[in-house]
Amino acid sequence: GAGVSQTPSNKVTEKGKYVELRCDPISGHTALYWYRQSLGQGPEFLIYFQGTGAADDSGLPNDRFFAVRPEGSVSTLKIQRTERGDSAVYLCASSLQGANTEAFFGQGTRLTVV
Amino acid sequence: DQQVKQNSPSLSVQEGRISILNCDYTNSMFDYFLWYKKYPAEGPTFLISISSIKDKNEDGRFTVFLNKSAKHLSLHIVPSQPGDSAVYFCAASRLGGSEKLVFGKGTKLTVNP
Repeated sequence: GAGVSQTPSNKVTEKGKYVELRCDPISGHTALYWYRQSLGQGPEFLIYFQGTGAADDSGLPNDRFFAVRPEGSVSTLKIQRTERGDSAVYLCASSLQGANTEAFFGQGTRLTVV
Repeated sequence: DQQVKQNSPSLSVQEGRISILNCDYTNSMFDYFLWYKKYPAEGPTFLISISSIKDKNEDGRFTVFLNKSAKHLSLHIVPSQPGDSAVYFCAASRLGGSEKLVFGKGTKLTVNP
């Protein structure tokens, strides 16, 4: 596709369950970012991939959160034992190099933990 | 601790007039600044950026000004159009690191016809 694609667009899950959120970046973009946006806040950095490796995971809030990008393209954000406080819009972005080049965002996955 | 601050949650202007959105930052290590626009149910869209070696960057109706000594930047939209109505996020990054973006909370701009 032409842009960054995120699936699903909406996810409702019960507290304690495991969820996976998928991001398909723009073809050829080596940099991939995950952000989380809570209501009334700006996007908050979670993790940055350069190619297959997580170059910066300092934004992951705790060890329930994990992300992979095994082939340097599609990335999956995994959340274990979900809590109500995890409810937010999870945004993925990709860019040719890093964020100082234009980062393109997907439409986000709205996660609701009930 | 908010490193990037947008102190005005909302702004309303008349079509054709100038919109000025403000942003302050506290981390002097930031050296690249960006503005994103966000419509409801969509991801943020890149608008314009500026490097810390410049004090102004212009792209059509959009101009970003950077005042490093004051750690302040602003986005000017002239003339404002109803289609500009959206939430505008200011973001900052450090070149050479992970280059992650640190965002402000956003300002909701409404341009009235």
